[in-house]
Amino acid sequence: GDSVTQMEGPVTLSEEAFLTINCTYTATGYPSLFWYVQYPGEGLQLLLKATKADDKGSNKGFEATYRKETTSFHLEKGSVQVSDSAVYFCALSVQAAGNKLTFGGGTRVLVKP
Amino acid sequence: DAMVIQNPRYQVTQFGKPVTLSCSQTLNHNVMYWYQQKSSQAPKLLFHYYDKDFNNEADTPDNFQSRRPNTSFCFLDIRSPGLGDAAMYLCATSREGLAAYEQYFGPGTRLTVT
Repeated sequence: GDSVTQMEGPVTLSEEAFLTINCTYTATGYPSLFWYVQYPGEGLQLLLKATKADDKGSNKGFEATYRKETTSFHLEKGSVQVSDSAVYFCALSVQAAGNKLTFGGGTRVLVKP
Repeated sequence: DAMVIQNPRYQVTQFGKPVTLSCSQTLNHNVMYWYQQKSSQAPKLLFHYYDKDFNNEADTPDNFQSRRPNTSFCFLDIRSPGLGDAAMYLCATSREGLAAYEQYFGPGTRLTVT
């Protein structure tokens, strides 16, 4: 079956530090890949996505590249802010599975001033 | 703005007292999902509607039911809430034909069972 593995948190950083959250996947088909972010007490927001190999998704200073050869979709941001404190979920979707999302376990990120 | 709306944002119910959570969407998406999320764990899919077709996940308890009277609205009914059903409930939508099959989430309803 499909699965997503992401690094466990919490990840604690100082403001302006570099952030990397590792994500690897296994999929039976050709997946689309996503990063969702969840701020405290809120629902999930789509942060970025990629639909095919070597695509780079980017948004709000975050980037992730779809690496088919390593089955990875690592999230990076060059300079984090306190407002980036949230839980980040890596996820995949395969069309044959009815658009269902398979989530990783989530990584809590805490950015300190 | 097109969006997914969940009401109420916070719901308190008593042990064993039926409760209904609602979700509406202005995106005109044909697929709607209900998730249960505990303590910032990954959301757990309970069921989804593909148009009018209901799709239950194999491990969703019978205590959880859903209704979709039209494209815009979907309800989650918990027939006899237990303490273990206290969680955040997330509604999401998607549309057949979206290039990346992404889902759009509502803000969630936090359910407390007393």
